[in-house]
Amino acid sequence: GAGVSQTPSNKVTEKGKYVELRCDPISGHTALYWYRQSLGQGPEFLIYFQGTGAADDSGLPNDRFFAVRPEGSVSTLKIQRTERGDSAVYLCASSLTQNTEAFFGQGTRLTVV
Amino acid sequence: KNQVEQSPQSLIILEGKNCTLQCNYTVSPFSNLRWYKQDTGRGPVSLTIMTFSENTKSNGRYTATLDADTKQSSLHITASQLSDSASYICVVRESYIPTFGRGTSLIVHP
Repeated sequence: GAGVSQTPSNKVTEKGKYVELRCDPISGHTALYWYRQSLGQGPEFLIYFQGTGAADDSGLPNDRFFAVRPEGSVSTLKIQRTERGDSAVYLCASSLTQNTEAFFGQGTRLTVV
Repeated sequence: KNQVEQSPQSLIILEGKNCTLQCNYTVSPFSNLRWYKQDTGRGPVSLTIMTFSENTKSNGRYTATLDADTKQSSLHITASQLSDSASYICVVRESYIPTFGRGTSLIVHP
């Protein structure tokens, strides 16, 4: 596609539920990043993929968060037993290689009620 | 821990005026520094990128400067327009992970 696509754009879920957020990167981009942005804050790094492997997952806040990229393209961020504090905009970005410009998707706004 | 600090946190200016946003960082080793513009409800969009050897980079009415010795960068906006109202985020890359500042929220009033 022409840009990074994230779905859904908005997600409201109940506390304790499981959610999946999807990211379609720009075709051919090997590097993929997930960030979380709370209101009034800059994006906070969660996890970085180079190809199919998670090269760095040090930003994941706890073991309720997990992300996959099985074929080196689409990535899914999975959150188990959601908490109200998980409410934020989840941004995905991709870049051609690990040191080139990252292009961001529009984000998924997650609200846990 | 690598950090990126931005100031001011928010800024309100009149249309047509100039403004300067500041970014201080402790990221080391340094690879490059980008300024992003993020409109409300949208993902960040890159404005400028500078490497260690570059002191200044312009993109239309946006001019970024970099002092790698003092680890400071600034973004100067000339003749502001209403569409400049957004959050401006300084991003410093160490190796493969960009570190984001919290951003400066700019509001341009008519």
